[in-house]
Amino acid sequence: DQQVKQNSPSLSVQEGRISILNCDYTNSMFDYFLWYKKYPAEGPTFLISISSIKDKNEDGRFTVFLNKSAKHLSLHIVPSQPGDSAVYFCAAKRRGGSQGNLIFGKGTKLSVKP
Amino acid sequence: DAGITQSPRHKVTETGTPVTLRCHQTENHRYMYWYRQDPGHGLRLIHYSYGVKDTDKGEVSDGYSVSRSKTEDFLLTLESATSSQTSVYFCAIRGTSGSADTQYFGPGTRLTVL
Repeated sequence: DQQVKQNSPSLSVQEGRISILNCDYTNSMFDYFLWYKKYPAEGPTFLISISSIKDKNEDGRFTVFLNKSAKHLSLHIVPSQPGDSAVYFCAAKRRGGSQGNLIFGKGTKLSVKP
Repeated sequence: DAGITQSPRHKVTETGTPVTLRCHQTENHRYMYWYRQDPGHGLRLIHYSYGVKDTDKGEVSDGYSVSRSKTEDFLLTLESATSSQTSVYFCAIRGTSGSADTQYFGPGTRLTVL
C-alpha cells in the first residue's frame, strides 16, 4: 500500500513559467514532508521541507504548500529554469518515528524547455 | 555536502556472488540508511542504523544484511546476489539539530547482477 503518491510520472513546462509538482499521502500520522531533486547519476538532493504545523514554506523560487485536510502537498517552482529539469521526490516522516525513517513517492520527472 | 562517499560507484557481478557496498561519512552522524532506487518504485529503505552495532530492517530487507562496526562506515552486503538486486543503491545520513528530520544522500552505487 503506497502511503506517499506522486501520480504524475512526468511534467513538461516552458522556461519562465510555473512548475507545480503534486504529492498525496494517506497516513495522517505524517508530520514532516520533504522534497528532493535528483539529477541522473547523482544522489537525491534535499530541496525544501515543511512541518505539519505549517501550510506554506518558501525558499527562493521554491514554495511548498501543505493541505492537511486533503492530505496533499505541492511544490511550486517560479520561474522554472532549464536547470530545474530533474526527477523530484516527495517524502514524509511519521510522527513519533524516532529513527527518522522517510517514505518516498515514486517521483515526477520535470522537463523545463527553453 | 554531507561528507558521504560510496564505494564502489559501479559494479558488475554475477548471480550467486557476494557483494559488499560501503558507505563512509566524515561528520560523526549517528543515523545512516541504505536505499535502493528502481524505475517505478522511487526510493525504498533496505536497512538503517542508529548507532554502532545497532541496525534494523527497512521495507525491502530480504536478501540484504548490514553491519556498522564504526560510526563512519555502514556496509551493505548481498550474500548471494540475484538479478532482482540490480539497482542503484544510495546511502543517506540523518541531519542533526535543526535539520534532524532531513536525510542527506551519497552519490550512489550502480550495481548490475548478470
